[in-house]
Amino acid sequence: DIQMTQSPSSLSASVGDRVTITCRASQSISSSLNWYQQKPGKAPKLLIYAASRLQSGVPSRFSGSGSGTDFSLTISSLQPEDFATYFCQQSYSTPPMYTFGQGTKLEIK
Amino acid sequence: EVQLVQSGAEVKKPGESLKISCKGSGYSFTSYWIGWVRQMPGKGLEWMGIIYPGDSDIRYSPSFQGQVAISADKSISTAYLQWSSLKASDNAMYYCARLGSGLDVWGQGTTVTVSS
Repeated sequence: DIQMTQSPSSLSASVGDRVTITCRASQSISSSLNWYQQKPGKAPKLLIYAASRLQSGVPSRFSGSGSGTDFSLTISSLQPEDFATYFCQQSYSTPPMYTFGQGTKLEIK
Repeated sequence: EVQLVQSGAEVKKPGESLKISCKGSGYSFTSYWIGWVRQMPGKGLEWMGIIYPGDSDIRYSPSFQGQVAISADKSISTAYLQWSSLKASDNAMYYCARLGSGLDVWGQGTTVTVSS
């Protein structure tokens, strides 16, 4: 099974900061990596798919990069509504076994 | 509007059976895989398994194989997740999600509470 490891597990930042969350796969997954945002009491929301493609309607301050085993999600200028938990997910395995990272909680400093 | 609507919260006793649902609308239900995701209280997301309603091809995560059953009724655009004998450890929120480019549409979640 492919394991996904996110870092950090939690992060404190201020409005306007630039933040980066990383995700590492236990084996190469090409660009088959998605990022989700989850706010308390809500379902996750897709932000980035295929490592770097912005989902429709997602603000351009979110960006993704990476391939192979190392990936990152960057928020260029934090807004108040961005404080949430972020998960990566690999979509490489077949049959579809799309494991998630353990999550990164982004908190207000 | 493309959406997945899940059935309401459930409170059950250990050993009872349960089937929760996920109804798709606004798109061709038989053309997209539907996945199920568990989130235990205060924890992360766990991939449970996935079904293709077009032909009921089902794939389970090894962690959930034999613990739950996934099915779908394409005539009513609904996917299901069921348990034959619930345990306290099944306490969680369960989400269904459509597999487009990533899991692009999510249900609102179904809370399952198992308590004696």
